[in-house]
Amino acid sequence: GNSVTQMEGPVTLSEEAFLTINCTYTATGYPSLFWYVQYPGEGLQLLLKATKADDKGSNKGFEATYRKETTSFHLEKGSVQVSDSAVYFCALVKGNNAGNMLTFGGGTRLMVKP
Amino acid sequence: NAGVTQTPKFRILKIGQSMTLQCAQDMNHNYMYWYRQDPGMGLKLIYYSVGAGITDKGEVPNGYNVSRSTTEDFPLRLELAAPSQTSVYFCASSQQGAGHEAFFGQGTRLTVV
Repeated sequence: GNSVTQMEGPVTLSEEAFLTINCTYTATGYPSLFWYVQYPGEGLQLLLKATKADDKGSNKGFEATYRKETTSFHLEKGSVQVSDSAVYFCALVKGNNAGNMLTFGGGTRLMVKP
Repeated sequence: NAGVTQTPKFRILKIGQSMTLQCAQDMNHNYMYWYRQDPGMGLKLIYYSVGAGITDKGEVPNGYNVSRSTTEDFPLRLELAAPSQTSVYFCASSQQGAGHEAFFGQGTRLTVV
């Protein structure tokens, strides 16, 4: 079946440091890939997505590239801020039907210190 | 904008008790979902609905029931609470299918003792 593996956290960085959160997946065919973010006390919200190989999703300075050859979708940001402290979830889905469930990774907590 | 609203935010249940987790969305979305999140694990789909009157099982439906009498509301029912149901529960909705952006509520933290 489908699965998503993320690097375990917490990841602790200083402000303005470079961020990488690794995500690899297992799925047949060509799933759509997502990064969701959960800020403290809030629900998950979509950060970015990519729907086909070599697509790059980007939002709020974050980027991730859909790499079919390495089955990866690593999240990067060039300069993190304290306000980026949150839990980040990588996820995939195949198809567009409601029954094609989102499969989530375990989440990676990011802590950014001033 | 309210988005997806879940109540309560926290609840402690005794083994064997029942409760309903409420979920309401004001975005007129057809698709709604219930997930549970266990520590260090990703979210797992419990039940979903593609419209009023239509529900279906997800990955981990045992011990739960749902109903969808209106587009706005999608309550999750626990009939006989068990310690294994201790988790954080998230309700979500989307305009179309799972390949589209899902909007999540803030979650309900449930502890069964």
